Amino acid sequence: QQKVQQSPESLSVPEGGMASLNCTSSDRNFQYFWWYRQHSGEGPKALMSIFSDGDKKEGRFTAHLNKASLHVSLHIRDSQPSDSALYFCAASERGTGANTGKLTFGHGTILRVHP
Amino acid sequence: GGIITQTPKFLIGQEGQKLTLKCQQNFNHDTMYWYRQDSGKGLRLIYYSITENDLQKGDLSEGYDASREKKSSFSLTVTSAQKNEMAVFLCASSIPRLGSSYEQYFGPGTRLTVL
Repeated sequence: QQKVQQSPESLSVPEGGMASLNCTSSDRNFQYFWWYRQHSGEGPKALMSIFSDGDKKEGRFTAHLNKASLHVSLHIRDSQPSDSALYFCAASERGTGANTGKLTFGHGTILRVHP
Repeated sequence: GGIITQTPKFLIGQEGQKLTLKCQQNFNHDTMYWYRQDSGKGLRLIYYSITENDLQKGDLSEGYDASREKKSSFSLTVTSAQKNEMAVFLCASSIPRLGSSYEQYFGPGTRLTVL
């Protein structure tokens, strides 16, 4: 079973709209969560991290973590065409996993922002 | 800032051929990673190295070898390329922190095609 599951597989939103991406982990050892974004032809780039319960806001991006349900979400307000990309949720374990920086990635959500 | 360089950008090989991919980073990061990215399957960890001359297997190490010649470079070898294999291989680096999780920086990738 995939340890980090993302939904939806793809999402289309109008320019200026809100995009909501979801991620759920099946492994309670995962304590640290990241969102990465990958534009076509490039490597992924870290968007933001969230390690504590609740919301974390960075500009137009807000991440929410619920450790009890192992659910993390990413909300992009005022979406722009440049936000069109593949978004990955990634998780790492505390202890050994955290010491090595090892991440487990989900399959990704393709976001398309149309004018 | 730093950069991760991957060579070659495109690699075309024959079935059964041994192929080597190279990665260099100038962040002075301790830990380096090799991932394979297939369409619809996210990123899967092949090998990682937490320091020079260290090698750790990931979830997808079968069919691959790796070498961490020095702190700044990490090579991946496909020991016997499989026909119709097409994937992007991504190199990353990070500085893991005890009790936390640290950002991974990715290179642009090497796109492999096996004829």
